[in-house]
Amino acid sequence: QKEVEQDPGPLSVPEGAIVSLNCTYSNSAFQYFMWYRQYSRKGPELLMYTYSSGNKEDGRFTAQVDKSSKYISLFIRDSQPSDSATYLCAMSTYNQGGKLIFGQGTELSVKP
Amino acid sequence: DAGITQSPRHKVTETGTPVTLRCHQTENHRYMYWYRQDPGHGLRLIHYSYGVKDTDKGEVSDGYSVSRSKTEDFLLTLESATSSQTSVYFCAISETEVMNTEAFFGQGTRLTVV
Repeated sequence: QKEVEQDPGPLSVPEGAIVSLNCTYSNSAFQYFMWYRQYSRKGPELLMYTYSSGNKEDGRFTAQVDKSSKYISLFIRDSQPSDSATYLCAMSTYNQGGKLIFGQGTELSVKP
Repeated sequence: DAGITQSPRHKVTETGTPVTLRCHQTENHRYMYWYRQDPGHGLRLIHYSYGVKDTDKGEVSDGYSVSRSKTEDFLLTLESATSSQTSVYFCAISETEVMNTEAFFGQGTRLTVV
């Protein structure tokens, strides 16, 4: 079993929809949680970064971490065609912050 | 865009040949990483460096070696390429040990081993 599980999709939604992306994990030592966005044939770019539990909001994006359930989420409000990309969750432990463990990514398509 | 450049961007090589990929940064970040990305696996850490001449193994290091003789350059070598090393390779840099908001990925090198 992988340390981080993420539904690969693909996920297709109409423009303006609320998108929910999720990851589950098994290692309770994870403290740092990230969401990356990756456009086709590009490198991943950091979208959201959270330390420990709680919520974080940045514009149309909200990241949630529930450590008791070992579950993280990314919500995208008012989704746009430009949000079409692969979204990867990643996490690491406190003393190995550079060793990211990634989910396999969810491919999202937002249709006009 | 962050100053991180990978070369080459594309390469086709034959099984059994050595291959070296280069990551060059202009940000003067201490930490550098090599990841590979394969369908169904996300990104997996191959090797990382926490300073000049200081490197360590990641999750999938077998068949790979690295060197960092200067802050700005981190080289990944496939000692004898195999078809299982066909992948997209990403370099990443980070100012701190935690890959937070000051961490960036390169554009990737697409390697095909035939």
